[in-house]
Amino acid sequence: EAGVVQSPRYKIIEKKQPVAFWCNPISGHNTLYWYRQNLGQGPELLIRYENEEAVDDSQLPKDRFSAERLKGVDSTLKIQPAELGDSAVYLCASSPDRANEKLFFGSGTQLSVL
Amino acid sequence: GENVEQHPSTLSVQEGDSAVIKCTYSDSASNYFPWYKQELGKGPQLIIDIRSNVGEKKDQRIAVTLNKTAKHFSLHITETQPEDSAVYFCAAMGTGRRALTFGSGTRLQVQP
Repeated sequence: EAGVVQSPRYKIIEKKQPVAFWCNPISGHNTLYWYRQNLGQGPELLIRYENEEAVDDSQLPKDRFSAERLKGVDSTLKIQPAELGDSAVYLCASSPDRANEKLFFGSGTQLSVL
Repeated sequence: GENVEQHPSTLSVQEGDSAVIKCTYSDSASNYFPWYKQELGKGPQLIIDIRSNVGEKKDQRIAVTLNKTAKHFSLHITETQPEDSAVYFCAAMGTGRRALTFGSGTRLQVQP
């Protein structure tokens, strides 16, 4: 079984540029998460989807961040414009159970904003 | 919201020794407590979890204990091996917001 797939693995951009991250969850997993992990810290939730509905986006900085999961499968997270403080690893995870307890993470996209 | 504190931030042990990582949480309604292992360049991977109706759970060399009264839980790794070297995260999930809150991580180094 394929795991959670994320691309790209690395991205280097200049500040004020846009950037997008893509995630394909494990087949059959209805719940999808985007987390941000700053250096030396634990992951912090940005947004949670149940199928195509964003059910928890309270921590998503909506002035510059947006996300979509149009068909309830793969998802895209976008930042526009990027700021220096956005440098982090962006992790996607999916969950197979309705309690959303066991998360399966992708390898993440490491973003560097110069 | 939930707040999870984890310590120590770094831990170095000799191969074969035991390692203990401790976490505290703030929301008394939290009822699910997983532990994740993150190796360099990879995403976190679930290694063990415990629910609030259980005080202890063991899986081979790893075990987790939970003290609901004190609101803390711990990860115990026995007979450590070099491949146990990684960053370990605790997390907690409340009954309200169905999302994990993670601790800040412990970097475990097992010296051969």
